[in-house]
Amino acid sequence: DAKTTQPNSMESNEEEPVHLPCNHSTISGTDYIHWYRQLPSQGPEYVIHGLTSNVNNRMASLAIAEDRKSSTLILHRATLRDAAVYYCILSVMTNTGNQFYFGTGTSLTVIP
Amino acid sequence: DSGVTQTPKHLITATGQRVTLRCSPRSGDLSVYWYQQSLDQGLQFLIQYYNGEERAKGNILERFSAQQFPDLHSELNLSSLELGDSALYFCASSVATASGETNTGELFFGEGSRLTVL
Repeated sequence: DAKTTQPNSMESNEEEPVHLPCNHSTISGTDYIHWYRQLPSQGPEYVIHGLTSNVNNRMASLAIAEDRKSSTLILHRATLRDAAVYYCILSVMTNTGNQFYFGTGTSLTVIP
Repeated sequence: DSGVTQTPKHLITATGQRVTLRCSPRSGDLSVYWYQQSLDQGLQFLIQYYNGEERAKGNILERFSAQQFPDLHSELNLSSLELGDSALYFCASSVATASGETNTGELFFGEGSRLTVL
C-alpha cells in the first residue's frame, strides 16, 4: 500500500534548479512529509521535512500544496553530488507508534 | 558519518541458515528502525523499537525477529533464509519524545548490511 507516488527518474542540468514532485493523496492531518536521499552505496540521509507550511534549509526547499496532497522538493542549483535517489516519505502516527513509509523514489541524474 | 554502526557490512550464507545483524544507534537515540531494501521493492519498513520495547511493526516476516537491548543496540535475526531474503538491511535511529513519537524528527541511517543468500 504505497502512500507516496514519485516519478521513477528525472534529469537535470548542472547548476539548474530541480523540482522533484510527490503525490500523497491519502495523507492525514497529523502525517508529516519527509524527504530523504540515498547516494550510491550509502544509507538514506535526511533532506527536509514539513507539515503544512513551505520549509527551507541549507540543502533544499519543500513546497507543500494547500490541500497537502502533493509536495515538491526543490534543489535550487543541482550539482553532480546531488545525483541520488530521492525518497518522499510520510511519517504516519499509529496506535502503536509512528512509521515512516518510503515510496519507490526518484532517481535523479545530473548532467554536467 | 551518521553515527549509526551496522555489522557485518557483508554477509554470504546459504538457504536455510540463520544470521544476526547488529546495529548500534547514535549516542542518545532511543528509537531504532530496521528496513529491508531489495532491488525490486525499494525500502520496506520492518520494525521499530523504542527504549527496549517494540513500538511499531511493518512488513516483517515471521522468520525474522528483532530486539533492542538495555544498552540500546539492536539485533535483527533472520532464520530459515531463502534466496529472496538477499537484500540490504538498514538500521536507522532517531531521537524520540518520551512517548516514542518521532514523526517530526530525523532518521539517521547506517551504511547497511548486505546479505546474500546462495
